[in-house]
Amino acid sequence: GAVVSQHPSRVICKSGTSVKIECRSLDFQATTMFWYRQFPKQSLMLMATSNEGSKATYEQGVEKDKFLINHASLTLSTLTVTSAHPEDSSFYICSARRGRYGYTFGSGTRLTVV
Amino acid sequence: EDKVVQSPLSLVVHEGDTVTLNCSYEVTNFRSLLWYKQEKKAPTFLFMLTSSGIEKKSGRLSSILDKKELFSILNITATQTGDSAIYLCAVIMNYGGSQGNLIFGKGTKLSVKP
Repeated sequence: GAVVSQHPSRVICKSGTSVKIECRSLDFQATTMFWYRQFPKQSLMLMATSNEGSKATYEQGVEKDKFLINHASLTLSTLTVTSAHPEDSSFYICSARRGRYGYTFGSGTRLTVV
Repeated sequence: EDKVVQSPLSLVVHEGDTVTLNCSYEVTNFRSLLWYKQEKKAPTFLFMLTSSGIEKKSGRLSSILDKKELFSILNITATQTGDSAIYLCAVIMNYGGSQGNLIFGKGTKLSVKP
């Protein structure tokens, strides 16, 4: 079946540093990947949609200069949280679309900024 | 504004009980509705519903969609402690409008007591 690998699964970083999260489709090509953020006891909130070879589309309220998304190949999308602050601490999940309506989630990344 | 509303937000039952989780939606260009189970990490797929009135079953779980009344229910019979999780409902809109993005409800937190 379709597998999406996301790593790291957990990262702790100092305030002001940048963190990169990778999302990789292992056995299929994903022209579109989605990045979500989830706060405790809340649902998944779509941050941005990334399409291979083009600029990501960000949802309203998401700072594109802070959350850099790169989708350089059909199997890899990255999310870089730049100059991270404690309020960026959250659970980040990627999802890759397979075909037209199939979605496969990565296992998520728990980011803690201290 | 497109939205997905789940109820109840939380539910506590005892093992052996039957539960019904609700999901209603108001979206443009509805395509399909998805149910996910989320425990500690990323959501795991349960069902995709596209047609009205056709029940989907997987073991003790079943789900059905009513496209006229714009809602879906997820039933869990003979609940077990392992069913404790957050159950997420998401709607896919037709591809052309919004790239097939998922809109998630806030989820229902189910706790099954021994």
